[in-house]
Amino acid sequence: GENVEQHPSTLSVQEGDSAVIKCTYSDSASNYFPWYKQELGKGPQLIIDIRSNVGEKKDQRIAVTLNKTAKHFSLHITETQPEDSAVYFCAASIRLTGGGNKLTFGTGTQLKVEL
Amino acid sequence: NAGVTQTPKFQVLKTGQSMTLQCAQDMNHEYMSWYRQDPGMGLRLIHYSVGAGITDQGEVPNGYNVSRSTTEDFPLRLLSAAPSQTSVYFCASSLPGTGGFTEAFFGQGTRLTVV
Repeated sequence: GENVEQHPSTLSVQEGDSAVIKCTYSDSASNYFPWYKQELGKGPQLIIDIRSNVGEKKDQRIAVTLNKTAKHFSLHITETQPEDSAVYFCAASIRLTGGGNKLTFGTGTQLKVEL
Repeated sequence: NAGVTQTPKFQVLKTGQSMTLQCAQDMNHEYMSWYRQDPGMGLRLIHYSVGAGITDQGEVPNGYNVSRSTTEDFPLRLLSAAPSQTSVYFCASSLPGTGGFTEAFFGQGTRLTVV
């Protein structure tokens, strides 16, 4: 089955700096790569995603890049703010027969933005 | 608009007891799934369903049962609780989407402790 590795497990940056989180996946059939943000005591929430036919996607301060050949994808957060502090999960998705998608998650990155 | 609702939020069980974690969604999503979240291990898929009457196993199904009699509800049953099932459980739902590219919406989680 799919295996997703995520690094680093913890990341501390100064407010205003950039943060980068990297993930690798193993199954070339994965075709969708979402990123989730989880705040304390809450469920994960989608912040950005990318499909396998796209190399990069941006949404304001957040960007995701995908290298299908190397099977890795990354999350970039620029101009970090204290409210960016949370746990971030990458995931790789395989489409299921009959609909829906099966998500395999990375182990998470605890991002701390310090003042 | 409630989204995905999980009950209870917290539960303590004794080893050997059984219980059902409830999950309901009001978005008419066909696809629903259950994950468990353990420190350093990300979210792991327990069971999933692509529609009413259809369920399948994820990567860690042992000790859990599910059923899907309606589109809205997807309960997770622990048959005989064990300390290894101490975890935070998340239910998620999504539409099939085009090509399987679809956002998964998560509930707030159920924190289960088995003593």
